[in-house]
Amino acid sequence: DAEITQSPRHKITETGRQVTLACHQTWNHNNMFWYRQDLGHGLRLIHYSYGVHDTNKGEVSDGYSVSRSNTEDLPLTLESAASSQTSVYFCASSDGGFNQPQHFGDGTRLSIL
Amino acid sequence: AQSVTQLDSQVPVFEEAPVELRCNYSSSVSVYLFWYVQYPNQGLQLLLKYLSGSTLVKGINGFEAEFNKSQTSFHLRKPSVHISDTAEYFCAAFTGGGNKLTFGTGTQLKVEL
Repeated sequence: DAEITQSPRHKITETGRQVTLACHQTWNHNNMFWYRQDLGHGLRLIHYSYGVHDTNKGEVSDGYSVSRSNTEDLPLTLESAASSQTSVYFCASSDGGFNQPQHFGDGTRLSIL
Repeated sequence: AQSVTQLDSQVPVFEEAPVELRCNYSSSVSVYLFWYVQYPNQGLQLLLKYLSGSTLVKGINGFEAEFNKSQTSFHLRKPSVHISDTAEYFCAAFTGGGNKLTFGTGTQLKVEL
């Protein structure tokens, strides 16, 4: 079965360090998304990609970057981790734009001390 | 900009009782609506979607929702809940021409014996 896999599931790091969260999907979807989930905010869009070499900023993109070198992967990088970036991060993919259902990974819980 | 309001942060209900989780959105122009469910330590799963057509939408696990344009609502209902329905439920909306899916802050459904 097709799936979307995130790694690691849990990570603890220190402020100022660079952190990369992996996302790999086998749906063969062109569209991939990164969200962060915080209590009281629901899910907020960080970055998204409509295909290889395409990346776009979402509503909370400051301090984050992504790159898309193939269809399957969209890694999320925190250039210099800050405590405000402690959150649960979800990757998603879809075969359409935002008006189509998205398939989500199980999330990465990131703690920045 | 689109906004999504889920007024109830928590809804307790007894098993086999009916339940309604409320969702209101702000903009009706070319709106696409979704309900997702999130079980503990998992990603979001699609329950149902409204893209166009019939205003009554049926989803998985016996859930249904009704698109009400005049009241800008998309409430989720189930006639008889089960313990296994205990989870967090998110309403989400996309407005045509926009560049993000807007999520509500979630409703925690707790089914009790």
